[in-house]
Amino acid sequence: DTGVSQDPRHKITKRGQNVTFRCDPISEHNRLYWYRQTLGQGPEFLTYFQNEAQLEKSRLLSDRFSAERPKGSFSTLEIQRTEQGDSAMYLCASSSGSSNIQYFGAGTRLSVL
Amino acid sequence: GQQVMQIPQYQHVQEGEDFTTYCNSSTTLSNIQWYKQRPGGHPVFLIQLVKSGEVKKQKRLTFQFGEAKKNSSLHITATQTTDVGTYFCAAWGSSYKLIFGSGTRLLVRP
Repeated sequence: DTGVSQDPRHKITKRGQNVTFRCDPISEHNRLYWYRQTLGQGPEFLTYFQNEAQLEKSRLLSDRFSAERPKGSFSTLEIQRTEQGDSAMYLCASSSGSSNIQYFGAGTRLSVL
Repeated sequence: GQQVMQIPQYQHVQEGEDFTTYCNSSTTLSNIQWYKQRPGGHPVFLIQLVKSGEVKKQKRLTFQFGEAKKNSSLHITATQTTDVGTYFCAAWGSSYKLIFGSGTRLLVRP
């Protein structure tokens, strides 16, 4: 069990650029979640995958955000035309079908200049 | 939509003092989870409560789920510097969506 892995750990980009983050869940976990966390707040749900199917997506997520989990293993989160308000920590979590416990990765910290 | 309110926002205690954080919802919860996030770290699962009135203990930590399943608390007895961090409660807003409270940040003076 190597835990949930996220890459990169930090990303600095200029406003208007596209960015993509990767999450590798714990290998036997079929459930994968993306969250966004800003300073002083709890993680905010973005989207959920069960295997390769995206089953829920937050209404707060604009159409600039897209996530994929093509083979039911790793997932990517893309933000197009980044804005300063997108600056946050993006967390990935995974869980198995038999448990509600979510295991979080270390996150990707995005700074949009 | 589903919301969980958490108080206090901050608590600064002397090492050895007790600490409690409270989580409240306007709707009945199916279950509630607690997570701890150390400074610069990521949330780590502590416990899940499911039954009305449930009380669970982990060493110096005591977790309670209210009788009406609308509130929960985490109590730490005799805090230590290793308890520093932010404690979040979280509840399921739907089958797949975990809603986190805003957290209580605990600071411990040695």
